Amino acid sequence: GAVVSQHPSRVICKSGTSVKIECRSLDFQATTMFWYRQFPKQSLMLMATSNEGSKATYEQGVEKDKFLINHASLTLSTLTVTSAHPEDSSFYICSASGTHESYEQYFGPGTRLTVT
Amino acid sequence: AQSVTQPDIHITVSEGASLELRCNYSYGATPYLFWYVQSPGQGLQLLLKYFSGDTLVQGIKGFEAEFKRSQSSFNLRKPSVHWSDAAEYFCAVEGGYQKVTFGTGTKLQVIP
Repeated sequence: GAVVSQHPSRVICKSGTSVKIECRSLDFQATTMFWYRQFPKQSLMLMATSNEGSKATYEQGVEKDKFLINHASLTLSTLTVTSAHPEDSSFYICSASGTHESYEQYFGPGTRLTVT
Repeated sequence: AQSVTQPDIHITVSEGASLELRCNYSYGATPYLFWYVQSPGQGLQLLLKYFSGDTLVQGIKGFEAEFKRSQSSFNLRKPSVHWSDAAEYFCAVEGGYQKVTFGTGTKLQVIP
């Protein structure tokens, strides 16, 4: 099956710094990648959708200047949390879908961000 | 806009007992439906999906789900639960443009 990786799996950063999370599709070309956020004991909330080579589409209430998304290639998307604050601490999960099978997203293992 | 309701936040079953997790959705057309499982601190694993055709869908790990249009439901079932099935289960609906909406999840506890 299709494999999606995320790096790092865990990161701790100081308030005010920026942190980058990578999402890679390892064995398929991901035309679309999605970024989700999951608070403790809650469901996944879609933050943004990105298509390779174009600007990401952000969901309502998600600050595009704070959560920078880049989808520069068909196998890599990055999420940069800029000027992180403790309230940004969360579990961030990416998913990817390709052209070989529509409507199915393959999820990465997630990144646990803790802002101190 | 689509929505998903999982009415049971937490369910406890004995190992070997049967399991049914409930899911109701709201969507104007025929939805694409999914069940995912998430172990603590992990990403999501797809258990099964419904796109069209047979309304009884078989998935991995012995799970199945039945799409009932009249009830707007997509309940997940397993005839005999194993201790390793303890996890959180999410029902999801895709309602166009690959936009997936997740339910709030059901946490399954399995007791010996």
